[in-house]
Amino acid sequence: EAQVTQNPRYLITVTGKKLTVTCSQNMNHEYMSWYRQDPGLGLRQIYYSMNVEVTDKGDVPEGYKVSRKEKRNFPLILESPSPNQTSLYFCASSLTSGSTGELFFGEGSRLTVL
Amino acid sequence: GNSVTQMEGPVTLSEEAFLTINCTYTATGYPSLFWYVQYPGEGLQLLLKATKADDKGSNKGFEATYRKETTSFHLEKGSVQVSDSAVYFCALSTNAGKSTFGDGTTLTVKP
Repeated sequence: EAQVTQNPRYLITVTGKKLTVTCSQNMNHEYMSWYRQDPGLGLRQIYYSMNVEVTDKGDVPEGYKVSRKEKRNFPLILESPSPNQTSLYFCASSLTSGSTGELFFGEGSRLTVL
Repeated sequence: GNSVTQMEGPVTLSEEAFLTINCTYTATGYPSLFWYVQYPGEGLQLLLKATKADDKGSNKGFEATYRKETTSFHLEKGSVQVSDSAVYFCALSTNAGKSTFGDGTTLTVKP
């Protein structure tokens, strides 16, 4: 089954404790991206990747890192999480990096930073 | 930068009512436009899209037309069902890889 898989789905952590949210897609998609969803703010793009070893900042990259060493994986790293990073995170992928492709989303990872 | 403005919610309708959710955008170049739907506890999924001016996207009775002159992409459905209750997001995407979403509109349809 074609899908985007995120882990963990739920996480409660404490300020400053490094964490990684993994994202994997099995559709051989070129493009991958991370978003955070906050009440009243919709989805905001954190980072995106047009292809392996190519990443770029979205609208809210501060406090996050990403890497794209393999086509299928695009982990989101929070080196020193803070409470303002408490949010619902979505990973998405698309067949191409052009503008016309639809995004396929994972089910989301709800992160709470205490 | 790019932006998407959606009609504020929440929207509550009776079954079989007509639905309109307004969406306007600001973007450089020629973006593609999308409507995504999010059901409770799930990720977003594509509802419909339009990739150039005057294109009409349609799916499951929903439709939206890419209007370049008014920079709009309003979502419409002639007769909503209880199962259409969800959050709807208008979005645009550019060749530069960036995508911009509206704030989302929560639709509740009552029997």
